[in-house]
Amino acid sequence: GAGVSQSPRYKVAKRGQDVALRCDPISGHVSLFWYQQALGQGPEFLTYFQNEAQLDKSGLPSDRFFAERPEGSVSTLKIQRTQQEDSAVYLCASSPRPQDTGELFFGEGSRLTVL
Amino acid sequence: AQSVTQLDSHVSVSEGTPVLLRCNYSSSYSPSLFWYVQHPNKGLQLLLKYTSAATLVKGINGFEAEFKKSETSFHLTKPSAHMSDAAEYFCVVSAGGYNKLIFGAGTRLAVHP
Repeated sequence: GAGVSQSPRYKVAKRGQDVALRCDPISGHVSLFWYQQALGQGPEFLTYFQNEAQLDKSGLPSDRFFAERPEGSVSTLKIQRTQQEDSAVYLCASSPRPQDTGELFFGEGSRLTVL
Repeated sequence: AQSVTQLDSHVSVSEGTPVLLRCNYSSSYSPSLFWYVQHPNKGLQLLLKYTSAATLVKGINGFEAEFKKSETSFHLTKPSAHMSDAAEYFCVVSAGGYNKLIFGAGTRLAVHP
């Protein structure tokens, strides 16, 4: 596709359920990022992939959060045993080259609501 | 560590008047700085970027920003606001060798007729 695609766009989960959020980056983009954006706040870094390698997961808030990109393209962010504080928009972004200080291309996000 | 502080959470202007969105940064080395815009239910879009070339940076839709090292500022301006400029604006600094972005809290711009 032409841009970064995320699914589902909206997800409602009951507390304690597991969720999986998918990101299809722009084809050929080496770098892939996940961000969490709470209501009324700026996006916060979660994790970074260079191809299939997860080089930085310092932003993952707990061991309930797990991300993977097994073939260096599509990525999945998984949240186990969801809590109310996990409610946020989860943004995926990609860029062509890891050392580039240029633009990150963002998807429209997956809005997670935990009841 | 790198960080940015957006000094106003909300800014309201009349259509046709100038826009000023303020941002201060903190960085232990010469930073790469960006402004991104987020329209409702849309993905974040790059407005402009500073990467140690010219200190006055021009972006899309008539926006520009000036890097002032002495003031550690990177304020976003536009001479004349348009209704379509109403959105959330984020000042962003790059951290790390792989362009990890650190976002400010955002400034919501409202434009009134």
